[in-house]
Amino acid sequence: DAGVTQSPTHLIKTRGQQVTLRCSPISGHKSVSWYQQVLGQGPQFIFQYYEKEERGRGNFPDRFSARQFPNYSSELNVNALLLGDSALYLCASSGGNEQFFGPGTRLTVL
Amino acid sequence: GIQVEQSPPDLILQEGANSTLRCNFSDSVNNLQWFHQNPWGQLINLFYIPSGTKQNGRLSATTVATERYSLLYISSSQTTDSGVYFCAGMYSSASKIIFGSGTRLSIRP
Repeated sequence: DAGVTQSPTHLIKTRGQQVTLRCSPISGHKSVSWYQQVLGQGPQFIFQYYEKEERGRGNFPDRFSARQFPNYSSELNVNALLLGDSALYLCASSGGNEQFFGPGTRLTVL
Repeated sequence: GIQVEQSPPDLILQEGANSTLRCNFSDSVNNLQWFHQNPWGQLINLFYIPSGTKQNGRLSATTVATERYSLLYISSSQTTDSGVYFCAGMYSSASKIIFGSGTRLSIRP
């Protein structure tokens, strides 16, 4: 069975640009969550979506947005990129309470 | 606010030693998970353990929800156990999932 997939694997952007990250959950899972992990820290919760509706939001600015599609895949968008947005972005899917993580997208902002 | 604290932050052991990692949480959690993050960043599920005790080979975990802590035990450590271990709790009161800052475990041969 396929696990959680994320694309792209790596991404390099410059300050002020916009980026879209993609996530496909495990088949049958309806919940997707997004996290940001900067070097040396634990993942920070950004959003949780369930059945295409936002169920939770972390302490991130409005430059961060997300959506979930009818097939339960999800996109995370970040506008007006800052150097501090450089991080590993993780997606997790859940069919109940337990979360399963994808390999992440490593974003570098120059 | 809600906090998840892990201890110790760093742990260095010889191969074959046993270790105990602790996770304290400041509010009631709906669920608690332990993860191992490999050098490539992949978070690997170890345990989903909102309460009670579970074992999987050399690893076991115990969560005492009423006292707001969870423990991860690693017995007979191997070099492949090295990495960062995270606990994470889901808080329905805040509709968010919060990770601890991790314990970096280094097992020396």
